[in-house]
Amino acid sequence: DAGVIQSPRHEVTEMGQEVTLRCKLISGHNSLFWYRQTMMRGLELLIYFNNNVPIDDSGMPEDRFSAKMPNASFSTLKIQPSEPRDSAVYFCASSPIAGGLGEQFFGPGTRLTVL
Amino acid sequence: GENVEQHPSTLSVQEGDSAVIKCTYSDSASNYFPWYKQELGKGPQLIIDIRSNVGEKKDQRIAVTLNKTAKHFSLHITETQPEDSAVYFCAASRDDKIIFGKGTRLHILP
Repeated sequence: DAGVIQSPRHEVTEMGQEVTLRCKLISGHNSLFWYRQTMMRGLELLIYFNNNVPIDDSGMPEDRFSAKMPNASFSTLKIQPSEPRDSAVYFCASSPIAGGLGEQFFGPGTRLTVL
Repeated sequence: GENVEQHPSTLSVQEGDSAVIKCTYSDSASNYFPWYKQELGKGPQLIIDIRSNVGEKKDQRIAVTLNKTAKHFSLHITETQPEDSAVYFCAASRDDKIIFGKGTRLHILP
């Protein structure tokens, strides 16, 4: 298996534009996590899905952020409109175990820069 | 909610010496404590984990200890090597919630 796949790897956009980050889970995994990493705040959990259902979205910063799982192997994180403070590295991770009680397999991340 | 404190934020050790990273957590119901290593330009990768029914776990040069009473757990790396240079994250988890520490940047000096 290729592991968790994220695209794009780098994204540079202007303030106000819509940004869509994509993630493909490892086959057979049923839990999906989106994280944001910055120097100031470290690694923050944004949202967690189990079997395509959002379980905890308390980490989503505000209504500008939304995440979906249209099927068991794919997820998107959308920011609309984007702001400079959204600049960060965004990771998705998948796990064969529900919740946060097992190993999470992280993708390589998407480095987002909002000008 | 859960809060995870990690210390130190930066650690430099001579190659061959030991490194210790410490974390404390606030939620006594947390029952799973993983440690992740993040190399430059990559996502974090699990290196060792421990569950609340175990006090210590070892895997070659890496060991983790857990003190549930004091709510703290530690990562120990012995005989450090250059490839151990990375950022290390601890985390505390219960049910559907996982909280990460802020990370420790470990430098192995030649």
